[in-house]
Amino acid sequence: QVQLAESGGGVVQPGGSLRLSCAASGFTFSSYSMHWVRQAPGKGLEWVAVISYDGSNKNYVDSVKGRFTISRDNSKNTLSLQMNSLRPDDTGTFFCARDFAGFFSGTLDFWGRGTLVTVSS
Amino acid sequence: QSVLTQPPSVSAAPGQKVTISCSGSSSNIGNNYVSWYQHLPGTAPKLLIYDNNKRPSGIPDRFSGSKSGTSATLGITGLQTGDEAEYYCGTWDSSLTTVVFGGGTKLTVL
Repeated sequence: QVQLAESGGGVVQPGGSLRLSCAASGFTFSSYSMHWVRQAPGKGLEWVAVISYDGSNKNYVDSVKGRFTISRDNSKNTLSLQMNSLRPDDTGTFFCARDFAGFFSGTLDFWGRGTLVTVSS
Repeated sequence: QSVLTQPPSVSAAPGQKVTISCSGSSSNIGNNYVSWYQHLPGTAPKLLIYDNNKRPSGIPDRFSGSKSGTSATLGITGLQTGDEAEYYCGTWDSSLTTVVFGGGTKLTVL
């Protein structure tokens, strides 16, 4: 069965960096686009970034452009999110999710349970 | 401020029916498929409806979806206490070239 497991969250000071990972199993990882979605405490879901099945196309929400980088290693079935210049409003739970298709369909059919990132001094 | 607009909360009694609305624009709902997600705190969000009205395998037919113009609706019949959760609509926005979500609707089964 499809499984997605995020890791790498933790507490970081403002201006710091963190790298999140998502281990995928149970499906052909290299055939699907993948997303990161976050949820600030007490708030709703906010889409963060997407990467195409082969890594050639990436999109980001405006608030993280230039600070976050999404990447993937299809040989290791792993999705990553490099987060630099972190701000307190980046605090939240980060979910990785599989796109329904290889292109950007906008339908996220499987999600992980998330990893918590706290940006605080 | 979310791109898609949902009511913050809805409630109904067990066994009853409830609908949750999602309003957008021509750049998102109007020209793209809508999905609906159920999220319980501490768990992975779950896809309930995709392509406006299709249910993934394992999702009971108590859950239904529809779309008209720039709005979409999630319907849940035969409400159960286990349906208490946050529900989100989502779709692709062709102008922003991003996924957009509604702000979420908290369902309370009284």
